[in-house]
Amino acid sequence: DGGITQSPKYLFRKEGQNVTLSCEQNLNHDAMYWYRQDPGQGLRLIYYSQIVNDFQKGDIAEGYSVSREKKESFPLTVTSAQKNPTAFYLCASDYNTGELFFGEGSRLTVL
Amino acid sequence: EDKVVQSPLSLVVHEGDTVTLNCSYEVTNFRSLLWYKQEKKAPTFLFMLTSSGIEKKSGRLSSILDKKELFSILNITATQTGDSAVYLCAVDSNTGNQFYFGTGTSLTVIP
Repeated sequence: DGGITQSPKYLFRKEGQNVTLSCEQNLNHDAMYWYRQDPGQGLRLIYYSQIVNDFQKGDIAEGYSVSREKKESFPLTVTSAQKNPTAFYLCASDYNTGELFFGEGSRLTVL
Repeated sequence: EDKVVQSPLSLVVHEGDTVTLNCSYEVTNFRSLLWYKQEKKAPTFLFMLTSSGIEKKSGRLSSILDKKELFSILNITATQTGDSAVYLCAVDSNTGNQFYFGTGTSLTVIP
């Protein structure tokens, strides 16, 4: 079945550690997105990519990095520079139809 | 500044009630407005609206868009406990392939 797979679903990290969240899609979608969701704040865009080897910062890119070496994959690294990384992270993709398809999310907790 | 505002932030109703969720927006280069339902993890797609005044229906859910007044409503009739979720409104902008999300409305349906 086609879809978006995020891993891990739950992740704990000590302060000062970098962590990478995986996002893989087999929908053949060109565009991929990373959102952060905090209680009461809706979804905020971290990074997005419209084609391979190209990506743009969203509204809250500081402390995060991404790569897009393959069409299917758009990993997000949460670096130690991100001051408040505990959140729910959602990856999404879109075939330029206007409808986003979401993964199941990754919940990151910093201890 | 582009923004999407949803109201109310939260709502508690009894089974069988009818609810109306609101979404207003100020987004340049509007392309479409989307409604999603988020229960635990991944938001699931409900509706995409591009034209004013045309109601979209799916069972007990319906939605309509007013592009002149820049808002949309999502109606749920004869609510059931399974309708309990966060309902997200998003606007698709042609600018940089951006989706702008509201904070969501948390709906709780009690038996």
